[in-house]
Amino acid sequence: RKEVEQDPGPFNVPEGATVAFNCTYSNSASQSFFWYRQDCRKEPKLLMSVYSSGNEDGRFTAQLNRASQYISLLIRDSKLSDSATYLCVVRENTDKLIFGTGTRLQVFP
Amino acid sequence: NAGVTQTPKFQVLKTGQSMTLQCAQDMNHNSMYWYRQDPGMGLRLIYYSASEGTTDKGEVPNGYNVSRLNKREFSLRLESAAPSQTSVYFCATRGGDATNEKLFFGSGTQLSVL
Repeated sequence: RKEVEQDPGPFNVPEGATVAFNCTYSNSASQSFFWYRQDCRKEPKLLMSVYSSGNEDGRFTAQLNRASQYISLLIRDSKLSDSATYLCVVRENTDKLIFGTGTRLQVFP
Repeated sequence: NAGVTQTPKFQVLKTGQSMTLQCAQDMNHNSMYWYRQDPGMGLRLIYYSASEGTTDKGEVPNGYNVSRLNKREFSLRLESAAPSQTSVYFCATRGGDATNEKLFFGSGTQLSVL
C-alpha cells in the first residue's frame, strides 16, 4: 500500500463547478502537508500548504484531518485554467517528502 | 540566481550503460531530493539528503546510488541502466520555514533506456 494515496480521476467538471479531492496518508507521525499542481509533467508547483485549522486562498480551500489521516482540497468556481494534476504531498519526518499519485482535473467549457 | 539546475535534460542509454544525473542549487538549502515520475504514478522518492554528507533511501532506491558531495550538489547515479528506469527524473530542494515551506524543482531529465 502506498504511503500517500489519492483518487487518480480524471475528474471532468464544467466551468463554475465545485470539485473536491481527498488524500489519505498512512504515517500518523507525518508533520506537514501540501497540495502541488502539475501541468503536462512539468515540474510541480506549490498550490498551498495545509494547516491543522484549515486554510483558504481565493477559490481554494485545504483542510487537514489528523484523526482520520486525510487532507482535502476544494476548488470553487472552476476555471479552464484549473485543468491540471493535483498532487498531495506529505512530509513524514524532518526531511522525507512523499507524493501521492496525483488527481487529474479537466475543466470543460 | 539559477535556483535548481538539473542536467542533462534528455538522455538515451542502452541497457547496462551507466550515467550520472547532476543537480546543483544556489539557494543554500540543506534538504535535497531525487524523484522519478512514470505515467500515472505521481512522483516517487528515490533518495533524499538532509544535509551535506548524509543520504537516505526513499520509496524506490533499488538500482540507484546518490552522492551529496557538498551542500550545493546532489547527484544520482545509475550503475547499470535497465528499461524499467525509463522515466522523468526531478531533483528538488526544500526551503522555507514552518510558515512558508516549499519544494524547488529542477526542470527534469527525460531518460530512456533501450
